[in-house]
Amino acid sequence: DAKTTQPNSMESNEEEPVHLPCNHSTISGTDYIHWYRQLPSQGPEYVIHGLTSNVNNRMASLAIAEDRKSSTLILHRATLRDAAVYYCILRDENSGNTPLVFGKGTRLSVIA
Amino acid sequence: GAVVSQHPSRVICKSGTSVKIECRSLDFQATTMFWYRQFPKKSLMLMATSNEGSKATYEQGVEKDKFLINHASLTLSTLTVTSAHPEDSSFYICSARATGLNSPLHFGNGTRLTVT
Repeated sequence: DAKTTQPNSMESNEEEPVHLPCNHSTISGTDYIHWYRQLPSQGPEYVIHGLTSNVNNRMASLAIAEDRKSSTLILHRATLRDAAVYYCILRDENSGNTPLVFGKGTRLSVIA
Repeated sequence: GAVVSQHPSRVICKSGTSVKIECRSLDFQATTMFWYRQFPKKSLMLMATSNEGSKATYEQGVEKDKFLINHASLTLSTLTVTSAHPEDSSFYICSARATGLNSPLHFGNGTRLTVT
């Protein structure tokens, strides 16, 4: 799977938007961009994924660059419960029922 | 939504004993489940892929005789840490994909194993 690069950590104030960047310059045409997050002492949870177009769901928005070499996860209004490690993962749509390979992710701190 | 349940959430055992961790898919069938291990402040590392009705596939460096995986039904996979040692103390997490090969992976809430 192609590699992603994320900042080690970020900080946000509560109730402000958060933009979490991810670089994936070696992304292939069939790689989906997935975002998961892991709250303290819990298993990861799915946040959002997309291929080319920007995506929105109840948790977040995913903005994908036109050349697809980078993407940004947007939390519109950070809460204390959003403090977690956020993982950006590429997954080939042709890879079948295969596991996810986790990088180091971005540790998001939310300040009240 | 799809739920993966993991039990126990926390276990303490003595060196040399064995511990079994269960992973259940509650509202879907999972022919394949994945087991991860996570050390403090580190990312998840894939240990093995559990296949219903056949042998598990282990990642390089993971001892199959130490980490026994059984996937006897479409909704249950178990990981048994045999002859546990303090260095096996870790956070173990299972996951499964509900439907469709491009569906998200759903994760259990993990099992914190402490070997004394």
